[in-house]
Amino acid sequence: DTAVSQTPKYLVTQMGNDKSIKCEQNLGHDTMYWYKQDSKKFLKIMFSYNNKELIINETVPNRFSPKSPDKAHLNLHINSLELGDSAVYFCASSPRGTKQFFGPGTRLTVL
Amino acid sequence: DQQVKQNSPSLSVQEGRISILNCDYTNSMFDYFLWYKKYPAEGPTFLISISSIKDKNEDGRFTVFLNKSAKHLSLHIVPSQPGDSAVYFCAASPNAGGTSYGKLTFGQGTILTVHP
Repeated sequence: DTAVSQTPKYLVTQMGNDKSIKCEQNLGHDTMYWYKQDSKKFLKIMFSYNNKELIINETVPNRFSPKSPDKAHLNLHINSLELGDSAVYFCASSPRGTKQFFGPGTRLTVL
Repeated sequence: DQQVKQNSPSLSVQEGRISILNCDYTNSMFDYFLWYKKYPAEGPTFLISISSIKDKNEDGRFTVFLNKSAKHLSLHIVPSQPGDSAVYFCAASPNAGGTSYGKLTFGQGTILTVHP
């Protein structure tokens, strides 16, 4: 009965590859988010979707493309991976923009 | 441009004593503040929040204080327990609505260690 789940938990890949991270929430929330936690441990918002509509898009390279097939899912696809993309990526959801519930994170390592 | 700052990277406290974690912010548009707790290899979990119309919010052992004029908030944990050992993140959000809807800005976290 996990609230916010992400797959995979760990992802190791070569530079230049394309990869996806999946996120699902079973809380019935309208809004979902992607955050990146970099090597300095800062958690920074990347994207937010409300009922499948993009509402927040921070200054993220367009190699990153979120996709929301329905309001319970928000996937993150990354093209042409670079070394600097190595980080922990967290998915989150919230009911109408209030407190957010986070997934366990996906540790991406680009070699 | 670090709008939310937690200037203490770590804090060590004896079990049973009070833990005080501090957070400062610079953006006057922030009006909703949250504390999250994070264990290793897990996502942050919500702890407590406060709206800018209040100066204190209490939930069990956890109390958050907000000083708007100083742009400062603090989290008090009394009494501290070893299970409280984790990274604590402060986060802030501007008024809901428009493109700022639900956008949280996080501090860099404070590692709390509670010794038995």
